[in-house]
Amino acid sequence: DAGVIQSPRHEVTEMGQEVTLRCKPISGHNSLFWYRQTMMRGLELLIYFNNNVPIDDSGMPEDRFSAKMPNASFSTLKIQPSEPRDSAVYFCASSLHRTSGRGSGETQYFGPGTRLLVL
Amino acid sequence: AQSVAQPEDQVNVAEGNPLTVKCTYSVSGNPYLFWYVQYPNRGLQFLLKYITGDNLVKGSYGFEAEFNKSQTSFHLKKPSALVSDSALYFCAVRDSMDSNYQLIWGAGTKLIIKP
Repeated sequence: DAGVIQSPRHEVTEMGQEVTLRCKPISGHNSLFWYRQTMMRGLELLIYFNNNVPIDDSGMPEDRFSAKMPNASFSTLKIQPSEPRDSAVYFCASSLHRTSGRGSGETQYFGPGTRLLVL
Repeated sequence: AQSVAQPEDQVNVAEGNPLTVKCTYSVSGNPYLFWYVQYPNRGLQFLLKYITGDNLVKGSYGFEAEFNKSQTSFHLKKPSALVSDSALYFCAVRDSMDSNYQLIWGAGTKLIIKP
């Protein structure tokens, strides 16, 4: 299994530009999570999807951030326009929830992350 | 409300000595508890989890963790530390009664193993 795949691994852009981060979850997984990690705020959940449907986007910082999951094997996180304070490492994780309702403690598997620097 | 605390920002251990990284939690129902490790410039890697059953959970790289319900703790342990264990360790929890699949994450503990 290839694991969770993220691209690009590094992104340097200028303030005001649009940034698109991409994620391919582990095949067969039905939940996908987008996280942001910074020194100041630690690991933050931005949004998560179950069966391609956004379930909780309360962690999305503001309207400049948007996420989509058009199918079970692909998701994007877009920042438009980007700002220097968006500089962080963005992680995608996926998991398989085998039962309906509360689940049973399924493990999240993380991708290698995208290191974003907005100048 | 659910929460998890890692009371130590950093833990220093000499190589060959036992190590403990502490984690305490608060949930309304029964907890699902996880430990992850992050090496520099890498993603988080799953180490072990407690769902139910035996309170002592064994995981990857010789790590283990003990679930203590009365103390609401899930400390990570290893009998003999290696320099290669130096990394950032995260504890996470989810309430089994919660239909939300989110994990609540600790702030992380930096583990430094000195030769």
